[in-house]
Amino acid sequence: EAGVTQFPSHSVIEKGQTVTLRCDPISGHDNLYWYRRVMGKEIKFLLHFVKESKQDESGMPNNRFLAERTGGTYSTLKVQPAELEDSGVYFCASSRENYGYTFGSGTRLTVV
Amino acid sequence: KNEVEQSPQNLTAQEGEFITINCSYSVGISALHWLQQHPGGGIVSLFMLSSGKKKHGRLIATINIQEKHSSLHITASHPRDSAVYICAVSGGSNYKLTFGKGTLLTVNP
Repeated sequence: EAGVTQFPSHSVIEKGQTVTLRCDPISGHDNLYWYRRVMGKEIKFLLHFVKESKQDESGMPNNRFLAERTGGTYSTLKVQPAELEDSGVYFCASSRENYGYTFGSGTRLTVV
Repeated sequence: KNEVEQSPQNLTAQEGEFITINCSYSVGISALHWLQQHPGGGIVSLFMLSSGKKKHGRLIATINIQEKHSSLHITASHPRDSAVYICAVSGGSNYKLTFGKGTLLTVNP
């Protein structure tokens, strides 16, 4: 089966601009997660979708971050406007119930 | 204090050595995950375990629920094992992961 696909793999934007990250989970995986690693820190949870519904968005840093999952398929994470502290690697993962995770390769976001 | 603590943070070994990476956690969990990330690469799930021991090739993962501790062992280490190894735990019904900071393993030829 195809893996979890994320794009872009890298993005460099200026402070104040908007960036949209996309994640295509494995087909049939109802659970989709966004995580983020900022430099020197551990990976942190951002939010969890079950199909198209947000199950838990307790990790979203602030209202500059907006996540959607259209029709329970792919998901987007938009940062608007981006700030310097948003730089990091954003990982998406999907799972089918509690059968373990498959991670994407991540999007490295640099805000300058 | 992080809910998931790994040790050591950095580990350098010679090819062929037996490697152990430790993970302790302070919360109730439904499962513990060991993940691997090669430099510049994505995250690969190695093991998900809730009790006992699992083995895959040269990798062995154990967990002691009472002591809230897990170990990842690599036998006959090889330079291609060089990577960051990350311990993460999931608990509750939504399966979200809480991560340790990772252990950077370097295996020299």
